[in-house]
Amino acid sequence: KQEVTQIPAALSVPEGENLVLNCSFTDSAIYNLQWFRQDPGKGLTSLLLIQSSQREQTSGRLNASLDKSSGRSTLYIAASQPGDSATYLCAVYSGYSTLTFGKGTMLLVSP
Amino acid sequence: NAGVTQTPKFRVLKTGQSMTLLCAQDMNHEYMYWYRQDPGMGLRLIHYSVGEGTTAKGEVPDGYNVSRLKKQNFLLGLESAAPSQTSVYFCASSTGTRLNTEAFFGQGTRLTVV
Repeated sequence: KQEVTQIPAALSVPEGENLVLNCSFTDSAIYNLQWFRQDPGKGLTSLLLIQSSQREQTSGRLNASLDKSSGRSTLYIAASQPGDSATYLCAVYSGYSTLTFGKGTMLLVSP
Repeated sequence: NAGVTQTPKFRVLKTGQSMTLLCAQDMNHEYMYWYRQDPGMGLRLIHYSVGEGTTAKGEVPDGYNVSRLKKQNFLLGLESAAPSQTSVYFCASSTGTRLNTEAFFGQGTRLTVV
């Protein structure tokens, strides 16, 4: 059974800091990995999708990397802003294209 | 461009009542999913469908039934609601192709069972 772990569970930083969110998974036989953002009381917004053949994806100030062999992905956020405050979720595709989620990292960026 | 739409957004049920949650997607996706999100538990897969007329059990299927009579719709039913089913329910869809599959989520249904 695939298990996904996200560390840290919560993170509080001052505005402007660069930060790294970590995601690890137990079964390296994944197809893709997807990072989401969730604001309080809202749905999930897709941030980045990394295919299993790729090592990283970038979108604006976000960069996600994937190392299948070690079962790890990182989400790097450059020059953090208060608007980045949200919960970040990592999910992996395996089996019959079902998504397994981590429990998320709750990020607070203070002005 | 609606994407994934869930109906209703909020609902309060009494124990033992039944209800159906509707999910509709306009992206012609093959795969559809129902998840529940609970504090400290994360998102857990209830049921999913790999195409019209198909359904399969996920991690926590007990107490729920689903139907996918049309490709664009995926219904989640609660036959006899219990307080343990108080949760936020999310529907998602994806192409299902292994290389490019990317999931899109609805805004959620907040269900309270009293």
